[in-house]
Amino acid sequence: ETGVTQTPRHLVMGMTNKKSLKCEQHLGHNAMYWYKQSAKKPLELMFVYSLEERVENNSVPSRFSPECPNSSHLFLHLHTLQPEDSALYLCASSQDSGLPYSGANVLTFGAGSRLTVL
Amino acid sequence: KQEVTQIPAALSVPEGENLVLNCSFTDSAIYNLQWFRQDPGKGLTSLLLIQSSQREQTSGRLNASLDKSSGRSTLYIAASQPGDSATYLCAVFNNAGNMLTFGGGTRLMVKP
Repeated sequence: ETGVTQTPRHLVMGMTNKKSLKCEQHLGHNAMYWYKQSAKKPLELMFVYSLEERVENNSVPSRFSPECPNSSHLFLHLHTLQPEDSALYLCASSQDSGLPYSGANVLTFGAGSRLTVL
Repeated sequence: KQEVTQIPAALSVPEGENLVLNCSFTDSAIYNLQWFRQDPGKGLTSLLLIQSSQREQTSGRLNASLDKSSGRSTLYIAASQPGDSATYLCAVFNNAGNMLTFGGGTRLMVKP
């Protein structure tokens, strides 16, 4: 396995379900991100973990709960979602140099998990 | 491999000036282009998104243009204010939708 792997690729859930999205990176990076990509809306940063500590929580509703047990894994736990939460959820990783995205700091993204909330 | 370049790397202007930030990318097969703002110690804030089929987007004092064929985008900031001081990043999403490549950013300082 190489790069950033997200599972499941597709998820359909009811509003009362509890599910989790998983992300795994095999790049030796020290920072991981959850982004939300809704149709026709800009990419929205949800959470940032650097060295396994959450450094950014972008006013995300509590029905989304992230977990970063180690530098290679990131989860997004989902609970009582709303239909408007249907979107593509992208995980990304990078090597955080401590500088604000200097040089060629490229985020490597997973293929995404397409979530549909009924 | 997509490469995104932003010029200038740093810019300092007096308050009230109109300014242009430049972004160029090497692979024109993009899904969209986004301009972000980053304040020190904080994450990214999306400013404008231009789909590959669009030419420009406007939001308040900001206007972003896209010339996909030439691999260029500009961010125009009108009547700059000290609160505009931040790092501005351009990023392109590839057609597969799984790679967002950022430029190195332009550090803007607007002096009162």
